[in-house]
Amino acid sequence: EVYLVESGGDLVHPGGSLRLSCAASGITFSDFGMNWVRQAPGKGLEWLSYISGRSTTIYYADSIKGRFTISRDNGKKSLYLQMNSLRDDDTAVYYCATNDDTGWNFFDPWGQGTLVIVSS
Amino acid sequence: DIQMTQSPSSLSASVGDRVNITCRTSQSISNYLNWYQQKPGKAPNLLIYGVSSLQGGVPSRFSGSGSWTDFTLTISSLQVEDLATYYCQQTYNFPRTFGPGTKVEIK
Repeated sequence: EVYLVESGGDLVHPGGSLRLSCAASGITFSDFGMNWVRQAPGKGLEWLSYISGRSTTIYYADSIKGRFTISRDNGKKSLYLQMNSLRDDDTAVYYCATNDDTGWNFFDPWGQGTLVIVSS
Repeated sequence: DIQMTQSPSSLSASVGDRVNITCRTSQSISNYLNWYQQKPGKAPNLLIYGVSSLQGGVPSRFSGSGSWTDFTLTISSLQVEDLATYYCQQTYNFPRTFGPGTKVEIK
């Protein structure tokens, strides 16, 4: 069974930086694209970024472009999200999710999420 | 970007009721429409992909239908454990987008 475990969430001041990690097990990690999705308190789901299995293709949502960077280390079966210039509205639970690479591109499974709070 | 709308935004139904949730997209997305269930305090869970394909382990009371820009998630007989928020998602192109969600409550 595939498991994803996020870590790195914390309380950070506006303008600060944070690096989130997502550790995968139960899959050949390099075979799958990965996504980051966030959910602000009481709000819906917002897709943030996608990275392909070999890191050759990367996409970002406009809301984070230029501030956040997605990366992965296939040897460590880990996905990362480097978050810079954090703002109050980046406060959210951040999820990583495996991308279906058979064609439909659905997200399954998801990790349990890690909470980022941006506040002074 | 493809805009997603869902209706209703919330509903309250009794156990055993048939429930329909509608998702509409701002342009045709072929069949690249997925549905997720998010129970309170939990991560989202995939229910249906490709409009109508049931993910393994998902109860058969869940079904999906639709085409072009109009899609429907149906719960044929609502159960207590279906208390959740349901999201549609398009994976036709980037940026991936989600609907705003439909909160299902049990009467």
